[in-house]
Amino acid sequence: GDSVTQMEGPVTLSEEAFLTINCTYTATGYPSLFWYVQYPGEGLQLLLKATKADDKGSNKGFEATYRKETTSFHLEKGSVQVSDSAVYFCALVKGGSEKLVFGKGMKLTVNP
Amino acid sequence: GAGVSQSPSNKVTEKGKDVELRCDPISGHTALYWYRQSLGQGLEFLIYFQGNSAPDKSGLPSDRFSAERTGGSVSTLTIQRTQQEDSAVYLCASSFGGVREQYFGPGTRLTVT
Repeated sequence: GDSVTQMEGPVTLSEEAFLTINCTYTATGYPSLFWYVQYPGEGLQLLLKATKADDKGSNKGFEATYRKETTSFHLEKGSVQVSDSAVYFCALVKGGSEKLVFGKGMKLTVNP
Repeated sequence: GAGVSQSPSNKVTEKGKDVELRCDPISGHTALYWYRQSLGQGLEFLIYFQGNSAPDKSGLPSDRFSAERTGGSVSTLTIQRTQQEDSAVYLCASSFGGVREQYFGPGTRLTVT
């Protein structure tokens, strides 16, 4: 079945450090890919998405590029802030299915 | 505008009791989803409703779980004869369907003692 594999952490970084969270997927067909974020005490919210190969999603300084050849959607940010401390989930939706398939999530803590 | 709301926010119940969890989606959204977030299993899809179509129940873990959506709006997730392994945060989301963004509610934390 369809699945998402991502770095699980937890990861602790210093402010202004570079962040990469790896995400790879297994799916038949051409899924849409998402990064969701869950800030402490808040609900899940969409961070960015890409719906086809080579698309780049970006938001709040985060970027991820849909790489069909490596079935990956790695999340990057050049300079993290304390406010980026959260749990990050990679997910996919396959066309015609609508249900999100999530990775296990990765907890990020950014220290000042 | 109002987001997805869920009630109750916390529920503690004894093993063997039935529980009902409620979700109010964003007005106008045609699709409604239930997910479960637990330490051992991460985020799992349970069920989704899209318009008047038959719901996709493929994620329900057992026949003790059921859900309905009345009038294309509010949804109730019912767990009968609760077990300790049902303890989790139950999340509801709604969207306009397809691959469009799913908006999540704050969740109901269920604890089965």
